Amino acid sequence: QKEVEQNSGPLSVPEGAIASLNCTYSDRVSQSFFWYRQYSGKSPELIMSIYSNGDKEDGRFTAQLNKASQYVSLLIRDSQPSDSATYLCAVNAGGYQKVTFGTGTKLQVIP
Amino acid sequence: SAVISQKPSRDICQRGTSLTIQCQVDSQVTMMFWYRQQPGQSLTLIATANQGSEATYESGFVIDKFPISRPNLTFSTLTVSNMSPEDSSIYLCSVGDGASYEQYFGPGTRLTVT
Repeated sequence: QKEVEQNSGPLSVPEGAIASLNCTYSDRVSQSFFWYRQYSGKSPELIMSIYSNGDKEDGRFTAQLNKASQYVSLLIRDSQPSDSATYLCAVNAGGYQKVTFGTGTKLQVIP
Repeated sequence: SAVISQKPSRDICQRGTSLTIQCQVDSQVTMMFWYRQQPGQSLTLIATANQGSEATYESGFVIDKFPISRPNLTFSTLTVSNMSPEDSSIYLCSVGDGASYEQYFGPGTRLTVT
């Protein structure tokens, strides 16, 4: 069974610190990887997509992908209280648009 | 990204009744998806809806319980039939970007069954 695994948290970091969120996946043919942010009571919002090994940076967010280790991570620099949310990792195996979501990691940024 | 709306935003329904949830997109999209998110849980895909063809259901979900329509490239409905309290959940539609596999979500419908 294809799985996407995340630590449920909560992950607590002080304001201004780097938050590191991790995700592992089981399907070796996975090709597309996504991070979604979900505030309480809201729907998921896509914040990062990554398709090849290495780092991808967008503002304070950096996604890191290591296909050999089947591992994808999200770094949030200079964390702000407004970053407090649940972060969902999602993986697509290619050839079909269905994605599999992890259970999410709850991030708390402490002022 | 597309602007997606859902109706109703929330509803409280009685056991045994049915509710139809609408999903409207402001641009034409090939693929639409319906998810369920139970309290404190992640997203579970119910089905994929392509225009002009039958919806494809995931394991554990059946057409009789969750009939889906996709009459055109901007609209879809999900019906939750013969509801029980276990159907209380947030129902989300999403649209797919065919090139990037990215998905974008509507605001969701919060359903409570009493």
